[in-house]
Amino acid sequence: KAGVTQTPRYLIKTRGQQVTLSCSPISGHRSVSWYQQTPGQGLQFLFEYFSETQRNKGNFPGRFSGRQFSNSRSEMNVSTLELGDSALYLCASSSLAGTYNEQFFGPGTRLTVL
Amino acid sequence: KQEVTQIPAALSVPEGENLVLNCSFTDSAIYNLQWFRQDPGKGLTSLLLIQSSQREQTSGRLNASLDKSSGRSTLYIAASQPGDSATYLCAVYGGSEKLVFGKGMKLTVNP
Repeated sequence: KAGVTQTPRYLIKTRGQQVTLSCSPISGHRSVSWYQQTPGQGLQFLFEYFSETQRNKGNFPGRFSGRQFSNSRSEMNVSTLELGDSALYLCASSSLAGTYNEQFFGPGTRLTVL
Repeated sequence: KQEVTQIPAALSVPEGENLVLNCSFTDSAIYNLQWFRQDPGKGLTSLLLIQSSQREQTSGRLNASLDKSSGRSTLYIAASQPGDSATYLCAVYGGSEKLVFGKGMKLTVNP
């Protein structure tokens, strides 16, 4: 069974631009969660989607948004990029709703904001 | 607010040693605790998941224990190998309904 895939793997943007990241979960998984990983803050929860509905959201500004499609694929959008948004963005999928279920992570998208 | 701490932040050991990695959390009202491994520039690999009703889980050379009352978990790695070199993270799920991660412990196993 194929794992979680994320595209693109690497991205370079400039301040003020916006970016869209994509995540395809493991086949049959309906929950997708997004995390931001930085050296200073570590891994922080962004949001979770289940069956196209946002179930939970972390403490991030409204510039961070996401959505999930009927095939469970998810996209995350960051508008008006700031230097501090440079990070590894990870998504994880699970067969059930709730991040307490075993999470399977993708390889991440490395975003660099110049 | 739940906080998860992993000390030390880094550890370097010779091959063959038995290792104990520590994780502590401030709020004992957790649903479960997960241990992950992260290789450089890669995503996370789930190693073990311990439900709050369990005291330990085992997978191969790995054994994880959970003591909710003291807010601690340990990951035991038997007979360490260079391939075990990675960053190990623990994460807890509790009342906030989101996984809260420690900052990880970077392990280097020297041949």
